Amino acid sequence: DAGVIQSPRHEVTEMGQEVTLRCKPISGHNSLFWYRQTMMRGLELLIYFNNNVPIDDSGMPEDRFSAKMPNASFSTLKIQPSEPRDSAVYFCASSTSESYEQYFGPGTRLTVT
Amino acid sequence: GDSVTQMEGPVTLSEEAFLTINCTYTATGYPSLFWYVQYPGEGLQLLLKATKADDKGSNKGFEATYRKETTSFHLEKGSVQVSDSAVYFCALRDFQGAQKLVFGQGTRLTINP
Repeated sequence: DAGVIQSPRHEVTEMGQEVTLRCKPISGHNSLFWYRQTMMRGLELLIYFNNNVPIDDSGMPEDRFSAKMPNASFSTLKIQPSEPRDSAVYFCASSTSESYEQYFGPGTRLTVT
Repeated sequence: GDSVTQMEGPVTLSEEAFLTINCTYTATGYPSLFWYVQYPGEGLQLLLKATKADDKGSNKGFEATYRKETTSFHLEKGSVQVSDSAVYFCALRDFQGAQKLVFGQGTRLTINP
């Protein structure tokens, strides 16, 4: 049974470039979460969706960040333009409305030079 | 707002030692409490949970008891193994049913043979 799938696993880009991170949640899960993990700030919730609708985006750092969930099996997190301080590991997680457990993907390590 | 505070790491122990990682929380109402574990290079995975006061969550030899009077959820294991080396996160879920989790800053645990 496939878990949460994220791509790419690693991304190196130059400052000013657009970056798109992708996530496929577990089939049947209706909630999806995007997190960012850094040494300085720990694990931060950026945004989460329920039934493809954004519920709380208060953690999105600024307008350079945007997230979409066009259907139940796919979500993207876009950074445009990227900056070196965006370097982090970005995790996607999914869950059902009934379960407390969030299932995390393996993460995308983003490096912006 | 809700918050979780964990003991600062890193924590280094010898194999077969007793482990305690402290976790306290601040929340309105009666949240559900969790411990997640992150092994090197992986996403977080649920270790154990407790949904009401005095509940004890347990898994893989780890235990934690939901203490409402001290607003704590300390993680314990009687005899740690090298394979327990990981980062441990305490988290809470608001009782009002919001899907999102609030995480502590994480505690890095290293077990030496």
